[in-house]
Amino acid sequence: AQSVAQPEDQVNVAEGNPLTVKCTYSVSGNPYLFWYVQYPNRGLQFLLKYITGDNLVKGSYGFEAEFNKSQTSFHLKKPSALVSDSALYFCAVRALRSNDYKLSFGAGTTVTVRA
Amino acid sequence: GAVVSQHPSWVICKSGTSVKIECRSLDFQATTMFWYRQFPKQSLMLMATSNEGSKATYEQGVEKDKFLINHASLTLSTLTVTSAHPEDSSFYICSARDRQGDYNEQFFGPGTRLTVL
Repeated sequence: AQSVAQPEDQVNVAEGNPLTVKCTYSVSGNPYLFWYVQYPNRGLQFLLKYITGDNLVKGSYGFEAEFNKSQTSFHLKKPSALVSDSALYFCAVRALRSNDYKLSFGAGTTVTVRA
Repeated sequence: GAVVSQHPSWVICKSGTSVKIECRSLDFQATTMFWYRQFPKQSLMLMATSNEGSKATYEQGVEKDKFLINHASLTLSTLTVTSAHPEDSSFYICSARDRQGDYNEQFFGPGTRLTVL
């Protein structure tokens, strides 16, 4: 079984401040990890993924995430948040060895960046 | 590249009617498409996996006679909500895997908002 936990329902930051959205996962074997962002009444937009290699992954819109195997975490970060980053963020995982390609999503974290 | 469209983007229907939602991969072929349901401010719940040319695989608790899925071509999957009721009102999102791309990536459609009166 595979699962994702996003411990914070909401994250509030001031524009220009660092933004962190937390994610921990549980999976058998090595994971594939993803971050998606969703704006109101829209589908999911891909931000970044970790499959193998460098633990620090850089993605779209200035976001990055760090894979930490010992802590089973994949926190999303942005050094300087923008008001336009306000949205719903989802972390997702699937097992490397899984052959059904199903993703398990976290409950989502609502990010609000105030001007 | 890797664009997925859904049609319609929103639909309002009367209770008891059926509604068909289309999911298309516009610039790639998708042997596998996934259908998700999302309630307001909640996560995506996988409903079924749609494989081209074969029957869909439904997740536990999802009624296959209620949510009919057809994946007749490599670029089109349809979800039909039969005899819709107000509790079926939700945001339905599809995703697709590129047959020739990274099998681990899913490309998501913009979603369809269904409201059943």
